[in-house]
Amino acid sequence: QQQVKQSPQSLIVQKGGISIINCAYENTAFDYFPWYQQFPGKGPALLIAIRPDVSEKKEGRFTISFNKSAKQFSLHIMDSQPGDSATYFCAAVRLSGNQFYFGTGTSLTVIP
Amino acid sequence: NAGVTQTPKFQVLKTGQSMTLQCAQDMNHEYMSWYRQDPGMGLRLIHYSVGAGITDQGEVPNGYNVSRSTTEDFPLRLLSAAPSQTSVYFCASSRTNQNYGYTFGSGTRLTVV
Repeated sequence: QQQVKQSPQSLIVQKGGISIINCAYENTAFDYFPWYQQFPGKGPALLIAIRPDVSEKKEGRFTISFNKSAKQFSLHIMDSQPGDSATYFCAAVRLSGNQFYFGTGTSLTVIP
Repeated sequence: NAGVTQTPKFQVLKTGQSMTLQCAQDMNHEYMSWYRQDPGMGLRLIHYSVGAGITDQGEVPNGYNVSRSTTEDFPLRLLSAAPSQTSVYFCASSRTNQNYGYTFGSGTRLTVV
């Protein structure tokens, strides 16, 4: 059973636009919901994370919105730039036992 | 501070051959893991270790072995390579039970022909 479902699979956004990637999870017993960013030929790198008792977290142009009742969370990239073109993975983490459940990834392309 | 180092970066194997993917970290992280990344499948956990001498299976362990003799090293062994093992492999580490942030290596792209 896939614990985290991510959409869309790919996304094309104009420079300056807003990129939105959505994730939904199955289980309520998670401690953190991180997002990872992966550039071609590189490993994923932690971008931003949120705890389930917080509805929104913002770091620069990146914002996580979290809806606990709907079991959904999303990544918003404001003023998207070509340098943001990458694959983004959401995840749900249970700290006990270091259990990570990754989404299937979203390939973002920002057109100049 | 090198982080997580994986070698080799690229490898081509023939079906039936064996090999070891190397992973080393210098952050004194207790937790280390191996993932494979395939198109449309995301990251799937192969094996993980919560400390030296302790390993366990993840979601897709068949065809792979691991060992953890030191805190720093966590090699992944392919016993008899199959085309289905063609993938990009990532090693990752973190502090156990207190961190949602994995540190990933840069990956090994493996092709089995």
